[in-house]
Amino acid sequence: EDQVTQSPEALRLQEGESSSLNCSYTVSGLRGLFWYRQDPGKGPEFLFTLYSAGEEKEKERLKATLTKKESFLHITAPKPEDSATYLCAVGAGGTSYGKLTFGQGTILTVHP
Amino acid sequence: ETGVTQSPTHLIKTRGQQVTLRCSSQSGHNTVSWYQQALGQGPQFIFQYYREEENGRGNFPPRFSGLQFPNYSSELNVNALELDDSALYLCASSLTDIPNSPLHFGNGTRLTVT
Repeated sequence: EDQVTQSPEALRLQEGESSSLNCSYTVSGLRGLFWYRQDPGKGPEFLFTLYSAGEEKEKERLKATLTKKESFLHITAPKPEDSATYLCAVGAGGTSYGKLTFGQGTILTVHP
Repeated sequence: ETGVTQSPTHLIKTRGQQVTLRCSSQSGHNTVSWYQQALGQGPQFIFQYYREEENGRGNFPPRFSGLQFPNYSSELNVNALELDDSALYLCASSLTDIPNSPLHFGNGTRLTVT
């Protein structure tokens, strides 16, 4: 059974204080690893897809990396508007594209 | 480009009742998936519809059922509601023709069962 575990459950940062979120996964044949951002009362918003170990993707202050067992979401010099829940999900090979297994999320709070 | 829209935004039902939730896919997207998100948890896959047929299902009982229409809009039906069905129900659309096309989510329907 595919599993995704995110840590920490919650993270509080001061504005400008860089840090990383962790996503550990086990999956039978990784089709893709996905990062989403979810604001309170909203649906998840797509950030990145990573396909193979060693791959990296960047968007503004966010950078996602992937190994064979983990993915990291690095946040550089965060701002209060980066506060949200960050969700990691995996798609397994041989399953329908709409099926993702999500972690429980990391709640990020950035204080000014 | 129109995003994924869901209705209603909030709903309160009584245990044992039936509920229908609706979703309009993003323009051009031919695949719709439904997820259940309990408070403080990540979304959990219910099922996916492609060309009006269910083609993938998670660990949910048969009282969770769905429909996809020719215009790619979709419905999620839940019969015999239980208290544990209280959650945020998310609809997501994607383009199956493009491998690993990311899922685009709506803002969900918050269902409360009393």
